[in-house]
Amino acid sequence: DAGITQSPRHKVTETGTPVTLRCHQTENHRYMYWYRQDPGHGLRLIHYSYGVKDTDKGEVSDGYSVSRSKTEDFLLTLESATSSQTSVYFCAISESTRHYGYTFGSGTRLTVV
Amino acid sequence: RKEVEQDPGPFNVPEGATVAFNCTYSNSASQSFFWYRQDCRKEPKLLMSVYSSGNEDGRFTAQLNRASQYISLLIRDSKLSDSATYLCVVNPPGANNLFFGTGTRLTVIP
Repeated sequence: DAGITQSPRHKVTETGTPVTLRCHQTENHRYMYWYRQDPGHGLRLIHYSYGVKDTDKGEVSDGYSVSRSKTEDFLLTLESATSSQTSVYFCAISESTRHYGYTFGSGTRLTVV
Repeated sequence: RKEVEQDPGPFNVPEGATVAFNCTYSNSASQSFFWYRQDCRKEPKLLMSVYSSGNEDGRFTAQLNRASQYISLLIRDSKLSDSATYLCVVNPPGANNLFFGTGTRLTVIP
């Protein structure tokens, strides 16, 4: 399997606190993505990166920011967590979405109380 | 309009049955399609790509119908281990990301 890890795996945080999730890859893939998955909505794109320091917004980017200072790391920050951000967050990597699709990390279960 | 839509199911089938899932996509110029499988509380994993000519991998067959803009997945001789959610995925032209259907849940019953 491709080398992609997410941390933490589980987190409980309080409303209003900042939270950072980390995605780390060892595949040297160009593209990295953050999705959230919620019942009834499926997987929705938050932000993605197409290179170091190159990022773009997805469908549900409000309240989230990202950074990619190295090829292997893609950070997702919830600036001030809200209960609506309780979700499962998946990171994914790809060298070419058209040809190879994605490989996903194991996910982070975030609960905002 | 969503890029991809699929019947959420659930589909409950006995072992050994054949089951088919369809999903529709909205952008007629889309070129890349995939089926992913997701087990409960796990990450999605690539099951197979969908090629224009159709493709088969063991008991699984994927087909593309461009005229009607739908993709199908056929599972023959269902096993208990096939129980999962199956996600239909599209890469529209010019997009650097994939769009996922909400998934179709399959339960294979002994």
